Amino acid sequence: AQSVAQPEDQVNVAEGNPLTVKCTYSVSGNPYLFWYVQYPNRGLQFLLKYITGDNLVKGSYGFEAEFNKSQTSFHLKKPSALVSDSALYFCAVSENYGGATNKLIFGTGTLLAVQP
Amino acid sequence: KAGVTQTPRYLIKTRGQQVTLSCSPISGHRSVSWYQQTPGQGLQFLFEYFSETQRNKGNFPGRFSGRQFSNSRSEMNVSTLELGDSALYLCASSPPNLMADTQYFGPGTRLTVL
Repeated sequence: AQSVAQPEDQVNVAEGNPLTVKCTYSVSGNPYLFWYVQYPNRGLQFLLKYITGDNLVKGSYGFEAEFNKSQTSFHLKKPSALVSDSALYFCAVSENYGGATNKLIFGTGTLLAVQP
Repeated sequence: KAGVTQTPRYLIKTRGQQVTLSCSPISGHRSVSWYQQTPGQGLQFLFEYFSETQRNKGNFPGRFSGRQFSNSRSEMNVSTLELGDSALYLCASSPPNLMADTQYFGPGTRLTVL
């Protein structure tokens, strides 16, 4: 069965410093990986995805993620954190075999707190 | 383009009642998925509809059901509500591509069961 792990419940970083939110995955076959962000009392906003190609994926709001097949990881990164980046971040893997479904399996989420 | 809309945004029900939630996908999107979000269980997949057919279903009891209309709008229904059904219910729509479609989420419906 496919699964996603986010080992850190919370990440604290000072504004202006680089941030990393970790994600590891377990899939059979090629992984389709996603990052979403959730602000309080809001739905999920799509940040970026990895399907194939370059291991470094660039997304919205200056975020990027690095796909590492040997370490089965897909960590989210940003070179310089903003206070407005403070939110709940979810990593997800798509249980999608040739278009048969769009089911997403989510990690437990990581709360990012950026201090001014 | 307008985003995914969900109505109502907030609902309060009592145990034993039933509830219907509505989701309007982004124009042109044919796939609609539903997720339940709770503090204890996190984000869990309920079901997905594509062209009015249920394409996949998560591990939820039969009290949870859904349907999709010809205009791609979707509804989910929960019968005989239990306290544990209190959650944020999220709807997501995807464009009609084949591989690893990006899902775009609505703001959710917050259901409270008393």
